[in-house]
Amino acid sequence: AQTVTQSQPEMSVQEAETVTLSCTYDTSENNYYLFWYKQPPSRQMILVIRQEAYKQQNATENRFSVNFQKAAKSFSLKISDSQLGDTAMYFCALGSARQLTFGSGTQLTVLP
Amino acid sequence: ETGVTQTPRHLVMGMTNKKSLKCEQHLGHNAMYWYKQSAKKPLELMFVYNFKEQTENNSVPSRFSPECPNSSHLFLHLHTLQPEDSALYLCASSQWSSSKGRTDTQYFGPGTRLTVL
Repeated sequence: AQTVTQSQPEMSVQEAETVTLSCTYDTSENNYYLFWYKQPPSRQMILVIRQEAYKQQNATENRFSVNFQKAAKSFSLKISDSQLGDTAMYFCALGSARQLTFGSGTQLTVLP
Repeated sequence: ETGVTQTPRHLVMGMTNKKSLKCEQHLGHNAMYWYKQSAKKPLELMFVYNFKEQTENNSVPSRFSPECPNSSHLFLHLHTLQPEDSALYLCASSQWSSSKGRTDTQYFGPGTRLTVL
């Protein structure tokens, strides 16, 4: 069985500051994907960033980057220069052969 | 706009009604999914369809009946629901790769907010 754990139910950050969201996971597979999705108040689930487990280089998408530690089974998301539009629920997800397993989410609020 | 549409966006139904949720993807994907998102709970995978064949059914009650007539359309037929079935129902699609033996990124629709009275 796969598990994804997000231990921070809520976080806040000042606009323009940097924040890191934590995620740990467990799987017996060697080949998998990891994702961060955001779900703003509109409830639309939006892909933020994707990491392939066999790639050692950390993925980056503009202000979003990850710190992928495969041995530790850790996959944190760093948001730089936080903007008000980043306020959302953030979900970490593990993609295996046929499905995604989601964490419980972290509600991030960006304060003006 | 993710390329996945869902209708209706909001639905209120009584416990004796029969209704259907519709999902359509315009991404050329070959796998589609139904998820349930309740307040204070993680996303729950309900059904998976790969190449129109149902490959996963995570112990979903029979009052939820999925249908996948082709790789672009997915339905969720609802009948005799309970108030605890009130939730946001999300549809997603992805590309399943037989060579990689796994599915890639899932793209989600905007969801249907279901309220059962």
